[in-house]
Amino acid sequence: DIVMTQSPDSLAVSLGERATINCKSSQSVLYSSNNKNYLAWYQQKPGQPPKLLIYWASTRESGVPDRFSGSGSGTDFTLTISSLQAEDVAVYYCQQYYSTLTFGQGTRLEIK
Amino acid sequence: EVQLVQSGAEVKKPGESLKISCKGSGYSFTSYWIGWVRQMPGKGLEWMGIIYPGDSDTRYSPSFQGQVTISADKSISTAYLQWSSLKASDTAMYYCARAPRFSGWFDPWGQGTLVTVSS
Repeated sequence: DIVMTQSPDSLAVSLGERATINCKSSQSVLYSSNNKNYLAWYQQKPGQPPKLLIYWASTRESGVPDRFSGSGSGTDFTLTISSLQAEDVAVYYCQQYYSTLTFGQGTRLEIK
Repeated sequence: EVQLVQSGAEVKKPGESLKISCKGSGYSFTSYWIGWVRQMPGKGLEWMGIIYPGDSDTRYSPSFQGQVTISADKSISTAYLQWSSLKASDTAMYYCARAPRFSGWFDPWGQGTLVTVSS
């Protein structure tokens, strides 16, 4: 299985500041035939199911605020929140779908 | 609106059987995959398996193969996750979620079903 490792495990950022979460896969999730990275990002707020934010590593799901962006390729990926809002407090997960589905361990984002 | 609605919370004893459900609406149920994801208390997300209700093609995570059974009844747009003999370690929140392909992202997710197994 592809192991997904997120960093940091937890993060505290001031309102209005940038938050950056990293995700590293144990092998490349870039499919050469279509040049797509098989990676998604989710947000899970307390007591709620996860919500899809990003797929194909950088395609924002409809309705997701544009302060959320995804980047990276191959084995290294980043979720960036450009200006942190109070409602962004959550746990964030990356997930690869290149092979047997696996998730990262999650990154808890809090307000400083 | 695309929606997945799961059955309610369950409290069971070790050794008992259980079947929980996930009903889809607002889309063609037979055209998308439905996956199941476990979240143990205070922990992360684990993919269990996935089914294509159109033809019941089912894939399991190696970690869950033989431990659970995934099925679907397309006539009532409902997918199921079942256990034949629960263990205390099965205590968790279980989510169903829709996927565009057997290996893909999940959107949307059901609200979750909390399963508690305790003697």
